Amino acid sequence: DTGVSQDPRHKITKRGQNVTFRCDPISEHNRLYWYRQTLGQGPEFLTYFQNEAQLEKSRLLSDRFSAERPKGSFSTLEIQRTEQGDSAMYLCASSRDRGRFGELFFGEGSRLTVL
Amino acid sequence: KNQVEQSPQSLIILEGKNCTLQCNYTVSPFSNLRWYKQDTGRGPVSLTIMTFSENTKSNGRYTATLDADTKQSSLHITASQLSDSASYICVVSYPTSGTYKYIFGTGTRLKVLA
Repeated sequence: DTGVSQDPRHKITKRGQNVTFRCDPISEHNRLYWYRQTLGQGPEFLTYFQNEAQLEKSRLLSDRFSAERPKGSFSTLEIQRTEQGDSAMYLCASSRDRGRFGELFFGEGSRLTVL
Repeated sequence: KNQVEQSPQSLIILEGKNCTLQCNYTVSPFSNLRWYKQDTGRGPVSLTIMTFSENTKSNGRYTATLDADTKQSSLHITASQLSDSASYICVVSYPTSGTYKYIFGTGTRLKVLA
């Protein structure tokens, strides 16, 4: 069990550029979640996959955001035409169907700074 | 509306002292409540999980309590250490449509001073 890994850990970009984050969940976990967290706040739900199916998207996920999980393993979160308000920590978490009441295991996060 | 509220927002204590963090929730139906510790710039790490029937659970110097009737939980930290400086997030989950949904509190930021 190698844990949830996220890449890159830090990304600095100029406004208007596109960025992509990758998440590799724990191997036997079929559920994968993306959250956004700003300073001093708790994580906010963005989207959720069960295997390769994207089952729910938050209203926070504007048209500029897209997430994929093409083979039900790793996932990517892309932000197009970044804005300064997108600056945040993007957290990925995974869980199993019946594991310990759906315990979420988090990655270390990808911190985005938009200049 | 399903909500999780934590208090205080921030707390400063001296090393070696005890402290208690609070979590009140209005989530229904209720499945379980977790406390996570999040170091600055890192992802949250689970400390404890409590289900409906559990009142108290300990993990080293961390003790969580749950009162399902009043929908309140607390996290008590004993003999605090500098490494306890972190944000502590309360998360309540509830079952829906064959899966779980998670409601996060905004966290309590704890600073332990030498």
